Amino acid sequence: AQSVAQPEDQVNVAEGNPLTVKCTYSVSGNPYLFWYVQYPNRGLQFLLKYITGDNLVKGSYGFEAEFNKSQTSFHLKKTTALVRDSALYFCAVRVSGSARQLTFGSGTQLTVLP
Amino acid sequence: EAQVTQNPRYLITVTGKKLTVTCSQNMNHEYMSWYRQDPGLGLRQIYYSMNVEVTDKGDVPEGYKVSRKEKRNFPLILESPSPNQTSLYFCASSLRWLENNSPLHFGNGTRLTVT
Repeated sequence: AQSVAQPEDQVNVAEGNPLTVKCTYSVSGNPYLFWYVQYPNRGLQFLLKYITGDNLVKGSYGFEAEFNKSQTSFHLKKTTALVRDSALYFCAVRVSGSARQLTFGSGTQLTVLP
Repeated sequence: EAQVTQNPRYLITVTGKKLTVTCSQNMNHEYMSWYRQDPGLGLRQIYYSMNVEVTDKGDVPEGYKVSRKEKRNFPLILESPSPNQTSLYFCASSLRWLENNSPLHFGNGTRLTVT
């Protein structure tokens, strides 16, 4: 079985400060990891993915994520938070070499305070 | 513009009245999928399709049907809706899912209420 945990339902951060949205995963095999963002009344949008290679992955809008195999984590980060980053963020995982579909976490609501 | 189009955006219906939510993509994507989003549960997959005439169950297929007669369309059918199917539904597509992990492109969602 594969699963994803986002331990924080809500993250609040002041504009200009760094932000972190946490994600841990559980799979049997090598993971493919993804971050998606959802703005109000919209579908999810792809931010970034880790497939293989460099553990630090850079994505859209200045976001990056670090794959940590020993801690089975894939936390999303940004050095300078903006009010427009306020949205719902989803982490997702699937296993390499498997037809098993993508499993999403429960989501983390990020609010950047002006 | 490349997009996934779902219709309708909002739907209120009564228990047992058959309904169809349409999904169309204009990107020539092989893979299409339906998800439902519920608070605290994230997105759960209902059905997916790897290509035309190929469909398979996701994690929560009960009470739903799909068809993939053409590459661009992937309708979701609720033959006899029940209140526990009240949810926000998303259609998504991807170029070649298994081969290169291309990202999912999502529609804007359909909010369904079953009374």
